[in-house]
Amino acid sequence: GAGVSQSPSNKVTEKGKDVELRCDPISGHTALYWYRQSLGQGLEFLIYFQGNSAPDKSGLPSDRFSAERTGGSVSTLTIQRTQQEDSAVYLCASSLVGGASEQFFGPGTRLTVL
Amino acid sequence: AQSVSQHNHHVILSEAASLELGCNYSYGGTVNLFWYVQYPGQHLQLLLKYFSGDPLVKGIKGFEAEFIKSKFSFNLRKPSVQWSDTAEYFCAVNSNQAGTALIFGKGTTLSVSS
Repeated sequence: GAGVSQSPSNKVTEKGKDVELRCDPISGHTALYWYRQSLGQGLEFLIYFQGNSAPDKSGLPSDRFSAERTGGSVSTLTIQRTQQEDSAVYLCASSLVGGASEQFFGPGTRLTVL
Repeated sequence: AQSVSQHNHHVILSEAASLELGCNYSYGGTVNLFWYVQYPGQHLQLLLKYFSGDPLVKGIKGFEAEFIKSKFSFNLRKPSVQWSDTAEYFCAVNSNQAGTALIFGKGTTLSVSS
């Protein structure tokens, strides 16, 4: 079956612009996660959606970052007024349920802010 | 604060050598433990996981890991590495309660020479 997909695969933008990154989770997975992978920093949790519950936004680094998940499926991560330090690979993962379930990762979106 | 430490940033081995990658975590309560691997140009995939039961866990491609609760460790091992094991390896942990994201270590790059 299809895995987690993300688009675009690469995004180059200018400092100050807004960007939207998209994630299509595996069908039927109720939990969706966004992570950021920066050089030398490993993977950093950003935000977590579980079903219809309020998302866990505790990992978002600033109020320029936001995410939504429509209809319990597709998710969009938005970064407003991008800064150079936002350059990273943004990874999306989904799992059947939260917590103990295995998370399946997408290929990521590589964001470069010039 | 919850954290995961991977002791080796970069490990270089010859084929057939034995591998052990260290992972220690700091996390209150009962945890789930994971090792993920990222091969060059590919996305993260699960190597193995521990939720409960036998602390010696076997994963794909001949990898295994041992959970030692008293040491807060979950080291990854393989008796004989292959060139194809060249990749980045990430240790991760989350709470066994529903609704928590993974906390990752910063990763270990393994280079295997043939």
